[in-house]
Amino acid sequence: AQKVTQAQTEISVVEKEDVTLDCVYETRDTTYYLFWYKQPPSGELVFLIRRNSFDEQNEISGRYSWNFQKSTSSFNFTITASQVVDSAVYFCALSEAGGSGNTGKLIFGQGTTLQVKP
Amino acid sequence: DGGITQSPKYLFRKEGQNVTLSCEQNLNHDAMYWYRQDPGQGLRLIYYSQIVNDFQKGDIAEGYSVSREKKESFPLTVTSAQKNPTAFYLCASNRGWSEAFFGQGTRLTVV
Repeated sequence: AQKVTQAQTEISVVEKEDVTLDCVYETRDTTYYLFWYKQPPSGELVFLIRRNSFDEQNEISGRYSWNFQKSTSSFNFTITASQVVDSAVYFCALSEAGGSGNTGKLIFGQGTTLQVKP
Repeated sequence: DGGITQSPKYLFRKEGQNVTLSCEQNLNHDAMYWYRQDPGQGLRLIYYSQIVNDFQKGDIAEGYSVSREKKESFPLTVTSAQKNPTAFYLCASNRGWSEAFFGQGTRLTVV
């Protein structure tokens, strides 16, 4: 069965600290996509990154970086030099091809609430 | 600007009442989804539609109904059969393997 686990419920850091949000997934598919979304207090989900199962290259985008390791089924997200504006709930999600092809359905982790204090 | 519009932002439902949440997109996406979010939990899929006039149940479809008469619109009805409807509802759309775009959500409260 497919599952996404974000073991960290809440994280609190002081501004300028680096912080890593963990994500572990389970799937039997060989073709799948992993995503990270940010949910600010306003409520909408903001897309951050998509990574397919065949591309294990790490990615960096400004202060954000992602580490995808198939060997440990993990897709961790690091924020370098955190800022108060990074305070939000972050979700990791999995999308599989499935037997009926791609439906685009997302399986979400429970989310990690990040609080960055000034 | 292209995007997804959900309305209303806040909705109050009395016991035994059906209510409908609106979701409209102008992104020309074929697929649309409804997710439910409860406090401290991730999002769970209620219904999804990959094409007009067709939709499928998600993981928690009981007590909900949908329609997809137009590509742009995917309304969700919360029926009286849904015993615990208080939650935050998010609508999304995507195209194939692309990332999903989300609306700003509707917060439903039973009074």
